[in-house]
Amino acid sequence: DAGVIQSPRHEVTEMGQEVTLRCKPISGHDYLFWYRQTMMRGLELLIYFNNNVPIDDSGMPEDRFSAKMPNASFSTLKIQPSEPRDSAVYFCASSWASFSGNTIYFGEGSWLTVV
Amino acid sequence: EDQVTQSPEALRLQEGESSSLNCSYTVSGLRGLFWYRQDPGKGPEFLFTLYSAGEEKEKERLKATLTKKESFLHITAPKPEDSATYLCAVRKGGGADGLTFGKGTHLIIQP
Repeated sequence: DAGVIQSPRHEVTEMGQEVTLRCKPISGHDYLFWYRQTMMRGLELLIYFNNNVPIDDSGMPEDRFSAKMPNASFSTLKIQPSEPRDSAVYFCASSWASFSGNTIYFGEGSWLTVV
Repeated sequence: EDQVTQSPEALRLQEGESSSLNCSYTVSGLRGLFWYRQDPGKGPEFLFTLYSAGEEKEKERLKATLTKKESFLHITAPKPEDSATYLCAVRKGGGADGLTFGKGTHLIIQP
C-alpha cells in the first residue's frame, strides 16, 4: 500500500516567495495532520483535519501560514510570504479515526529552505 | 501544559551493549503513548503504541514498557542498523487528536 505522499521533497526559495507543500494521505484515513520539525523545537503540530474539515489550527505560527483540504485525498500547506525562519522539514501524516489512540503514519517530509 | 521529555538526548553504545531510553510525560487523559523511529532524511516510522500502565510490547530487539509517568524503550543486544533517533509521543483525551512529541534520543550503535 502507498503511504502518505508529500511533494516537493526539497524546496529552496527566496524570502518573500509563496511556498505550497502538498500531501496525499493514505486512502481511507479520515484524519490528516501537518507537522513541522526543527532542531530547536522538535516536531510540532501545526493543524489537523477530520473528514476534510480543519479541527485545530492553534499550532499555525501566524497568518502567513494556511492549510486546505479540498477533498479526502489532497491537502496543501501554504506559506505566503515565506521567511528564513520558516526553514524546516514539514511532515504530513494521516490516521484512521482517533479513538483508542490509532496510529498516525507520516510521510517522508518536505525539506524547505528559505534564503 | 502537556509535556514529553526524553532522555538521554544522545546515546552511543557498542554493538551488543543493551540499554534503555526514557520518556517522561505529563498529560491529562492519556489516550496512547507512541514510539517512533526516525532515520536521517526520513519521516517518523511507527514502532509501538501503549495504552495503560503495565503494558509491554516487543519487536525484535526492542521492548517498550509503560508506567503512569514514564515509558522505557529497552534495546537488547543492539546492532548498527538500530542507529536512529527514537521519538516518544502522547495522544491525549478531550478531543485533541494530534500527537505531542518529545525531542527524541539520538542513538548510535558502533560496530
